[in-house]
Amino acid sequence: AQSVSQHNHHVILSEAASLELGCNYSYGGTVNLFWYVQYPGQHLQLLLKYFSGDPLVKGIKGFEAEFIKSKFSFNLRKPSVQWSDTAEYFCAPRSYNTDKLIFGTGTRLQVFP
Amino acid sequence: EAGVTQFPSHSVIEKGQTVTLRCDPISGHDNLYWYRRVMGKEIKFLLHFVKESKQDESGMPNNRFLAERTGGTYSTLKVQPAELEDSGVYFCASSPRGMNTEAFFGQGTRLTVV
Repeated sequence: AQSVSQHNHHVILSEAASLELGCNYSYGGTVNLFWYVQYPGQHLQLLLKYFSGDPLVKGIKGFEAEFIKSKFSFNLRKPSVQWSDTAEYFCAPRSYNTDKLIFGTGTRLQVFP
Repeated sequence: EAGVTQFPSHSVIEKGQTVTLRCDPISGHDNLYWYRRVMGKEIKFLLHFVKESKQDESGMPNNRFLAERTGGTYSTLKVQPAELEDSGVYFCASSPRGMNTEAFFGQGTRLTVV
């Protein structure tokens, strides 16, 4: 069965701090991997995606994620966060075989000026 | 190009009543997904359509929930009769078939059962 785990439920940072949010998925087959973000009062939007090739992918607003196949991980990073990054972040693997897209529990990030 | 649209954006109903939520996917997207988020908890998968067929409905809570996608275009999710625990935000997403594609989300319908 397909599952995903996000390790950090609530993260509080000051501006300019570095960010890393953990994501591990459990699925034996090939997956596409996504990070979605939901800013306050807005709907879910795509932050970045991994399909194949270079395991280090870059997304919008300076975010990046690294796919480590051996660890079934897809951690999200940003070297220097901004107050505007305050939002909720969701890791989402999607199965090659079924097209099923599932979400992790989400990480609520608060950035203080 | 129009995005994924959901109707209504908010709905407040009494326990025992019926509510129907609608999702219009992006034109040409065969995959349509329904999710629910209750009280800031996880985004829970409900079901997945491929065109008009239910590919996976393993996340549907119980038989009070009925989803349809006649003709493979828009989808409806009916809750009958609604219970208090059905309150939450219901999200719809659509994507093209095949891998290496992304899903696009609607703004969600906030359902409150009182």
